Amino acid sequence: GESVGLHLPTLSVQEGDNSIINCAYSNSASDYFIWYKQESGKGPQFIIDIRSNMDKRQGQRVTVLLNKTVKHLSLQIAATQPGDSAVYFCAEGLGGGADGLTFGKGTHLIIQP
Amino acid sequence: DTAVSQTPKYLVTQMGNDKSIKCEQNLGHDTMYWYKQDSKKFLKIMFSYNNKELIINETVPNRFSPKSPDKAHLNLHINSLELGDSAVYFCASSQDVSLGYGYTFGSGTRLTVV
Repeated sequence: GESVGLHLPTLSVQEGDNSIINCAYSNSASDYFIWYKQESGKGPQFIIDIRSNMDKRQGQRVTVLLNKTVKHLSLQIAATQPGDSAVYFCAEGLGGGADGLTFGKGTHLIIQP
Repeated sequence: DTAVSQTPKYLVTQMGNDKSIKCEQNLGHDTMYWYKQDSKKFLKIMFSYNNKELIINETVPNRFSPKSPDKAHLNLHINSLELGDSAVYFCASSQDVSLGYGYTFGSGTRLTVV
């Protein structure tokens, strides 16, 4: 199997606990931020997004917090489940979409039973 | 119905060969992309096409040439493959981020050059 996960920051949490994954972004002009989940052998899957005019957005079991002052983004997952095990990426974008996204390095979330 | 589909899923080929990866989206999006994910899981944009026109061409060797016959398709052709081209290549599409749902990615093509 692959060992690429060993190169990524890893967060290990107990099943049922809350998880917080952090990300520092690079471009202070970015106005759109997305969190993606990538399971082994699959493409990145959209979780939640937030625009720069907001500092918090909630979805189902997930919350994204944006701190533009320090260029920091976090993803909170409530009541973590085994199916949440994956690599999580933050991504930043600018403008109408055609410019593409700049991805962070990714965090490997491991759920302990 | 797969929103963004790319073929093949796996591609093993020898150095020096020429290969293509195909991508199609049925979302009606105007913009399509190719991203490369290396062995450390780092995702980086390669190309962006908007309505069949090239918008972004990041620092990618000339051996890589995207082709967009229509706005629903963006294919990636690679000439003279090298060992360092081994990676997972993802196609993606977006309409406009202001519509809120961002980008949709395909499931990836794992290219192995031997």
